[in-house]
Amino acid sequence: DARVTQTPRHKVTEMGQEVTMRCQPILGHNTVFWYRQTMMQGLELLAYFRNRAPLDDSGMPKDRFSAEMPDATLATLKIQPSEPRDSAVYFCASGPPTGAKNIQYFGAGTRLSVL
Amino acid sequence: QQPVQSPQAVILREGEDAVINCSSSKALYSVHWYRQKHGEAPVFLMILLKGGEQKGHEKISASFNEKKQQSSLYLTASQLSYSGTYFCGTELGNTDKLIFGTGTRLQVFP
Repeated sequence: DARVTQTPRHKVTEMGQEVTMRCQPILGHNTVFWYRQTMMQGLELLAYFRNRAPLDDSGMPKDRFSAEMPDATLATLKIQPSEPRDSAVYFCASGPPTGAKNIQYFGAGTRLSVL
Repeated sequence: QQPVQSPQAVILREGEDAVINCSSSKALYSVHWYRQKHGEAPVFLMILLKGGEQKGHEKISASFNEKKQQSSLYLTASQLSYSGTYFCGTELGNTDKLIFGTGTRLQVFP
C-alpha cells in the first residue's frame, strides 16, 4: 500500500526553536509539494520540486523557511526560528511523472504548535 | 488568485443531492477536486481538463466550463461517507501547480 509518509505527526515547540519536518514520497513519484493548512488561509502551497529540483517556492517566507530534497526519497521543510504564527498543519504530497495528470497524494500531515 | 467556492457549507440528509461550485478569475488548464475528512489528509476525487469534460466517480460527477472559468461538483443521493470538506484545485497552465479553493464543508445526516 504505497503512501506518502510524514514525520513527526505532531510537534510542539517553543518560539525561536528550529523545526524540521520530513516527507518520504511514494516510490517512483518525481514531484513533491509542501502545503500549509490553517483555518484562516486554507490550503496554501509553500514550495514544490520536480526531480529534486525546486520549481516554485514563492509561497514560502524566505527569511525563516527552507525546503530541500537531499535525495529522491526524502524532502525536508525547516523553520528557523519558529514563531507562533507558524502553527498549522503541514502537508506533503507527491505526484507521479507527468502523463498521469498530476494527481497529488497527500501524507497524513505534521501538526505544528509553536508556543 | 485563490478560486472561490460556493456554498461555504452544506447540510444534507442521506439521499439528497448537492452541487458545489468553484470559480476562478484566471483562465484554467485543469480543475482537480479533493475531499478532506476531519483530521485527515485531502484525498483525490477527480480531474477535469479544459474542453468541458464531465467526469464521474461513483455517484459524484463534475463539469468544467472553460469559458466561464468554473467547475461544479455534483453529489447525487448523498451518503454519510460523503461528509467532509471539498476543495477544488485549479491549475493555470500545464505546471503541476495547484491553487486550492476556499473549501466547502459538507455534512450528511441520517
